[in-house]
Amino acid sequence: EADIYQTPRYLVIGTGKKITLECSQTMGHDKMYWYQQDPGMELHLIHYSYGVNSTEKGDLSSESTVSRIRTEHFPLTLESARPSHTSQYLCASSPPGQGPTLFFGSGTQLSVL
Amino acid sequence: GENVEQHPSTLSVQEGDSAVIKCTYSDSASNYFPWYKQELGKGPQLIIDIRSNVGEKKDQRIAVTLNKTAKHFSLHITETQPEDSAVYFCAVRGENTGFQKLVFGTGTRLLVSP
Repeated sequence: EADIYQTPRYLVIGTGKKITLECSQTMGHDKMYWYQQDPGMELHLIHYSYGVNSTEKGDLSSESTVSRIRTEHFPLTLESARPSHTSQYLCASSPPGQGPTLFFGSGTQLSVL
Repeated sequence: GENVEQHPSTLSVQEGDSAVIKCTYSDSASNYFPWYKQELGKGPQLIIDIRSNVGEKKDQRIAVTLNKTAKHFSLHITETQPEDSAVYFCAVRGENTGFQKLVFGTGTRLLVSP
């Protein structure tokens, strides 16, 4: 079982609040990803990182930002949450080599009221 | 960019029956095709994958077949069990997606009834 952790599991917050979703992995993987999963199940890549100090925007435009200061940590921040940000956020990591083989965390279900 | 279509969106089978999920992709340069299973309350987990130089791969009750000419690949689950009930995603990696990224299909909700 992969060692990738997301906190919190559930978050209910009011509009306009700043939030940070945490993601940590203990496998030493260089690549990390954030996916947004809508109620219809689809997975959309919103951010990814190839390593420390590397971040890129994904295929789906997102108002969130990410940072990668340490290999094991890839937090996602929303400066001002809105109801349209309500979604499931999944973090994943991938080791070097062919693939990528993604190891996913259990996700954070965010609800913005 | 890469476009991945997955069918069906829902699939209901009786325990012991076979289940087949199909994905089509658009980028002929795509070369890696994994399948992920997502159980309720969990993140997706890799269950099987195939590379473009292989036509079929099996792992116990699950198999994946690839037709590069037609640009489609399928997941086959035989002798289904209730614990196979989950959402299944296909994914594609290719030159146009970036070699370290996957584009996922839209998911198939499989329900296996006892």
